[in-house]
Amino acid sequence: GAVVSQHPSWVICKSGTSVKIECRSLDFQATTMFWYRQFPKQSLMLMATSNEGSKATYEQGVEKDKFLINHASLTLSTLTVTSAHPEDSSFYICSAGGLTIATEAFFGQGTRLTVV
Amino acid sequence: GDSVTQMEGPVTLSEEAFLTINCTYTATGYPSLFWYVQYPGEGLQLLLKATKADDKGSNKGFEATYRKETTSFHLEKGSVQVSDSAVYFCALNGGNTGKLIFGQGTTLQVKP
Repeated sequence: GAVVSQHPSWVICKSGTSVKIECRSLDFQATTMFWYRQFPKQSLMLMATSNEGSKATYEQGVEKDKFLINHASLTLSTLTVTSAHPEDSSFYICSAGGLTIATEAFFGQGTRLTVV
Repeated sequence: GDSVTQMEGPVTLSEEAFLTINCTYTATGYPSLFWYVQYPGEGLQLLLKATKADDKGSNKGFEATYRKETTSFHLEKGSVQVSDSAVYFCALNGGNTGKLIFGQGTTLQVKP
């Protein structure tokens, strides 16, 4: 299957700083990528849809000014958590593919963000 | 809206036991259904899928059948191994948007 690489795998940052997470499709072009957030022992919640060359589409309740998404190329989407706070600590996962009803999505390895 | 409900975990089994993880869904139209597995500290990997009613997805000894009449997609395995310990997510894709709707996940722990 296709490979999606996410970096970093984990990051610790201080409150008030910003953190950037990268999501790359290694062997295919992804005009659309998705960002999910997973709280401990809970399911994945879709945060936003990242569209190459245009603005991201955010799900209801997700602060677009806090979670900045940039999809500057067909293989790279970035999520920047701005002015991070401890409540932003979570596991963030990106995916690509699965754009038609019968096809699968490919997930990155996830990024564990801890804000101290 | 569309939704997925999984049985509560954790599920603890002995090696070689039979596994069933229940999954039911609510959707308008005819979604595709998926089971993803997440090993500790990792992202999700597709385990199996079914794209229409009565389809059976299978992989690595796991099976699930798309039952439209009961709106279910239960995951089964005849003989689990310690290496199957992970979190299992049932998910649906209801249209050509790429958005997946996930169940809450079920943690499986297999003891030797």
